[in-house]
Amino acid sequence: DQQVKQNSPSLSVQEGRISILNCDYTNSMFDYFLWYKKYPAEGPTFLISISSIKDKNEDGRFTVFLNKSAKHLSLHIVPSQPGDSAVYFCAARDDGSGNTGKLIFGQGTTLQVKP
Amino acid sequence: DGGITQSPKYLFRKEGQNVTLSCEQNLNHDAMYWYRQDPGQGLRLIYYSQIVNDFQKGDIAEGYSVSREKKESFPLTVTSAQKNPTAFYLCASSINWGAYSNQPQHFGDGTRLSIL
Repeated sequence: DQQVKQNSPSLSVQEGRISILNCDYTNSMFDYFLWYKKYPAEGPTFLISISSIKDKNEDGRFTVFLNKSAKHLSLHIVPSQPGDSAVYFCAARDDGSGNTGKLIFGQGTTLQVKP
Repeated sequence: DGGITQSPKYLFRKEGQNVTLSCEQNLNHDAMYWYRQDPGQGLRLIYYSQIVNDFQKGDIAEGYSVSREKKESFPLTVTSAQKNPTAFYLCASSINWGAYSNQPQHFGDGTRLSIL
């Protein structure tokens, strides 16, 4: 049972435009959400996170929005750059996991930013 | 330079053989984690350790073993009992653990394990 879902396997946008990556989750016990970026043959790099007590967090070109009632979060990248082309994973921490800090990852979305 | 070092980058295993993947961090992080990534899938947790000399099974621990004798080291052994070991293995660490510490996990660059 996939608790964190990224329903779009891929996304293609033009350089300079906005990229919106989406993530849905099913477990209301998730209390902390993260986005990671991954290049081929490398480990994921932490991008941005948001606590469940907030609905928005911004860091430069990256903004994460959280809609708890819809159990949905999104990552906005504005403006998109060719170097943003990578696989993006969303992850959620399970507050009901016995204080382990365990993360549940989505399947990933491959973003391609065209020059 | 602080970071997480995984070695080797590529590893080949023969049938019936145990292999050990190395993970070392110099970030002074308490918690360390092992994940497995298969094509088209997210990362799945194999084992994690919140403190030295302690570790717990993750979601897919069968066929794997770990040790945490030192804070900076968390090696993963893929045993012959793991029937489908071909995957990309990622090690991560975080400054502390638990539901009340909003600190991200940081990852190494991974080890790709293949079967000969």
